[in-house]
Amino acid sequence: ETGVTQTPRHLVMGMTNKKSLKCEQHLGHNAMYWYKQSAKKPLELMFVYSLEERVENNSVPSRFSPECPNSSHLFLHLHTLQPEDSALYLCASSHSLFAGANTGELFFGEGSRLTVL
Amino acid sequence: AQSVTQPDIHITVSEGASLELRCNYSYGATPYLFWYVQSPGQGLQLLLKYFSGDTLVQGIKGFEAEFKRSQSSFNLRKPSVHWSDAAEYFCAVGAPSNTGKLIFGQGTTLQVKP
Repeated sequence: ETGVTQTPRHLVMGMTNKKSLKCEQHLGHNAMYWYKQSAKKPLELMFVYSLEERVENNSVPSRFSPECPNSSHLFLHLHTLQPEDSALYLCASSHSLFAGANTGELFFGEGSRLTVL
Repeated sequence: AQSVTQPDIHITVSEGASLELRCNYSYGATPYLFWYVQSPGQGLQLLLKYFSGDTLVQGIKGFEAEFKRSQSSFNLRKPSVHWSDAAEYFCAVGAPSNTGKLIFGQGTTLQVKP
């Protein structure tokens, strides 16, 4: 299997549930990202990991908790979400975070469509 | 701060017609520029990118884009649109010092009429 794989593709949860989104990349990349895509809004960068260290938390509420156990896997743990958190959550990876080693290309997964009731 | 503006939210063209999608960016220096395409239910796929050199870049699926520094623009073009090009198109800008973090425009939805 190649590329960036996200599971589940669709998730419906109540506001009191705890769930997790999973992302796996088979590209040997060192940087991984979570983006939020809401209708009619630009993609919002949420978190950035480089070599398993979080390098950016873009003012994301604490009800979203990322985890990067190794360079191939990235999780987004969800807890007590709000209906406005319903969106498509996209995972991406890149060769590395910084110019020189990085062609600048992000490779995206197909996303996890989250609905919060 | 970096920003990207795609002035057209929705564009409809006839199959076989030419296409131009607009993108304007704001950045203090020459940025890295990208166009991505997203088909329904899919993730984003890179169409083309500009880092330096020739200001006219060729991408996949017959797309090209031209970097115009004086206009802070990076418009995407295709001479003849196919029905399969119907999708959402995103322009993005990255800082040369940190190209992994991209700022995206809000996207342009392309509809293709038969």
